[in-house]
Amino acid sequence: GAVVSQHPSWVICKSGTSVKIECRSLDFQATTMFWYRQFPKQSLMLMATSNEGSKATYEQGVEKDKFLINHASLTLSTLTVTSAHPEDSSFYICSAREARANTGELFFGEGSRLTVL
Amino acid sequence: KQEVTQIPAALSVPEGENLVLNCSFTDSAIYNLQWFRQDPGKGLTSLLLIQSSQREQTSGRLNASLDKSSGRSTLYIAASQPGDSATYLCAVDGNKLVFGAGTILRVKS
Repeated sequence: GAVVSQHPSWVICKSGTSVKIECRSLDFQATTMFWYRQFPKQSLMLMATSNEGSKATYEQGVEKDKFLINHASLTLSTLTVTSAHPEDSSFYICSAREARANTGELFFGEGSRLTVL
Repeated sequence: KQEVTQIPAALSVPEGENLVLNCSFTDSAIYNLQWFRQDPGKGLTSLLLIQSSQREQTSGRLNASLDKSSGRSTLYIAASQPGDSATYLCAVDGNKLVFGAGTILRVKS
């Protein structure tokens, strides 16, 4: 199946700093990518939908100024957690839908674990 | 608002048993339904994708069914193995993917 890569897989940062997470579709083009957040022992919660060449669409309750999303190309979307605080510590996962496929299948990255001290 | 429920929340079975995981959803206006596997601390692995026009999909020991009108899907795992131990997530795709809380499966050797 298609491959989605996330980087970094884990990051530890100090409170107040900003952290950027990359999501790449390695062998397909993705006009739409999705960012999820997962707290321990809970399911995935959609944060935002990232559209190539346009502004991201955020879910209710997600601060767009806090979680900056950029989808600059058909293979790359980035999530930047600005001025991170300990409550932002979580597992962040991205997914991508292949632009040309009509199955609608979503492929997921391996996730990025953020720990804010 | 789409809501997805998975039952049971956790399941522990001896190796070799056949088992069924259940998923229900409230809004039948969906494009497809996917079953995923997640190992601890890892991302998601897609297991099966069922389009809204399909009734079931099979891959190896896995079989997933979909009854869109009643808002239900089941994942059947035949001859379970310890390596099947993981969290299984059901996700329903309308305009966006909505996940259930998952079923934590443990297969004992």
